[in-house]
Amino acid sequence: GQNIDQPTEMTATEGAIVQINCTYQTSGFNGLFWYQQHAGEAPTFLSYNVLDGLEEKGRFSSFLSRSKGYSYLLLKELQMKDSASYLCAVPQAGTALIFGKGTTLSVSS
Amino acid sequence: DAGVIQSPRHEVTEMGQEVTLRCKPISGHDYLFWYRQTMMRGLELLIYFNNNVPIDDSGMPEDRFSAKMPNASFSTLKIQPSEPRDSAVYFCASTTGQGWRDGYTFGSGTRLTVV
Repeated sequence: GQNIDQPTEMTATEGAIVQINCTYQTSGFNGLFWYQQHAGEAPTFLSYNVLDGLEEKGRFSSFLSRSKGYSYLLLKELQMKDSASYLCAVPQAGTALIFGKGTTLSVSS
Repeated sequence: DAGVIQSPRHEVTEMGQEVTLRCKPISGHDYLFWYRQTMMRGLELLIYFNNNVPIDDSGMPEDRFSAKMPNASFSTLKIQPSEPRDSAVYFCASTTGQGWRDGYTFGSGTRLTVV
């Protein structure tokens, strides 16, 4: 089965950099996903990593280490609109994603 | 494309009543997923379909829950009878078998309150 761990909450200030960690245990690895979810809204896709290393996409980057079962999401130049929950997810056997409980990020001015 | 469409957006019902949630996936997406989200348990997979066929329903909490996908453009999740502990936000999501690396597209969700 799968087990995914993320910190429950994090706080940061505008303009700063924040790193949200995710550790996972899975019986087979088919990649790791990050989603963003604003309060009262649906999750939206941010990134997908299947190989080790850093994938950069604008202000957001995602890192994966398969040997350590570890990923992080790096958010640069934080803005107030980045206040949201960030969900780490891995596929179980087949296509279905299993999600962590999410990290709620609060960005203050 | 209008995206994944769910209805209703909000549903308040009394314990013991039947509740039906509806979902229209994105045209051409051959995978459809039903999730439930609560503060305590996070986002939980209930069931998913591939080409209208249920593949894994191990996440369905109990026999009170059932899901169908009669055609490629429509799915329902039914709870009968409903209980207060079923109160949650229910999300439907879809994706393609080929392009799932681009992630799922979620609907706006149905917020269910059972009183």
